[in-house]
Amino acid sequence: DAKTTQPPSMDCAEGRAANLPCNHSTISGNEYVYWYRQIHSQGPQYIIHGLKNNETNEMASLIITEDRKSSTLILPHATLRDTAVYYCIVRVALNSTLTFGKGTMLLVSP
Amino acid sequence: DAGVTQSPTHLIKTRGQQVTLRCSPKSGHDTVSWYQQALGQGPQFIFQYYEEEERQRGNFPDRFSGHQFPNYSSELNVNALLLGDSALYLCASSLGLAGGRSPLHFGNGTRLTVT
Repeated sequence: DAKTTQPPSMDCAEGRAANLPCNHSTISGNEYVYWYRQIHSQGPQYIIHGLKNNETNEMASLIITEDRKSSTLILPHATLRDTAVYYCIVRVALNSTLTFGKGTMLLVSP
Repeated sequence: DAGVTQSPTHLIKTRGQQVTLRCSPKSGHDTVSWYQQALGQGPQFIFQYYEEEERQRGNFPDRFSGHQFPNYSSELNVNALLLGDSALYLCASSLGLAGGRSPLHFGNGTRLTVT
């Protein structure tokens, strides 16, 4: 699976949009971009995934650049409960395992 | 709709002992994967079960073994426990071997402490 690069930590004010970047410059055409988050002492929570097009669900939006070498996860109105480690993962279409990196620790402050 | 459930939530064992962890997948899912998460690290893939067979395995020794039952639930067994086996053990379920198209859903894990 392609390697991803994320900043180790980010801060965001409550109520503002949180934009979490991810670099995956070696991504292949059959690899999906997945985002998970992990709140302390809980299991990873699935957020969103995409292949080529931008995606939106009730939790977040995923913006993938046209060359697919990077993506941004957007939490439109961050709350304190969004404080967590966010993992960007590139996953081969026919491989159902996930390879986690170190992720980005997002701290949402009042 | 029940999500992935794991038991027990916490466990303390002594070096050399054996442990069994249990997982029930999310309703409608038939594939179970196990991950180990050491403190401060991301989860690491142990193995995956589908149709009661081990389908993929990560870089873990044979002391780690598993089983999947006809109702899709699964067990993770670890023999001859080492101090380094202390970790959060996560179970994840998904639908088939659809890979990138089917998200994995995780339980909240079993915290194993080996003393």
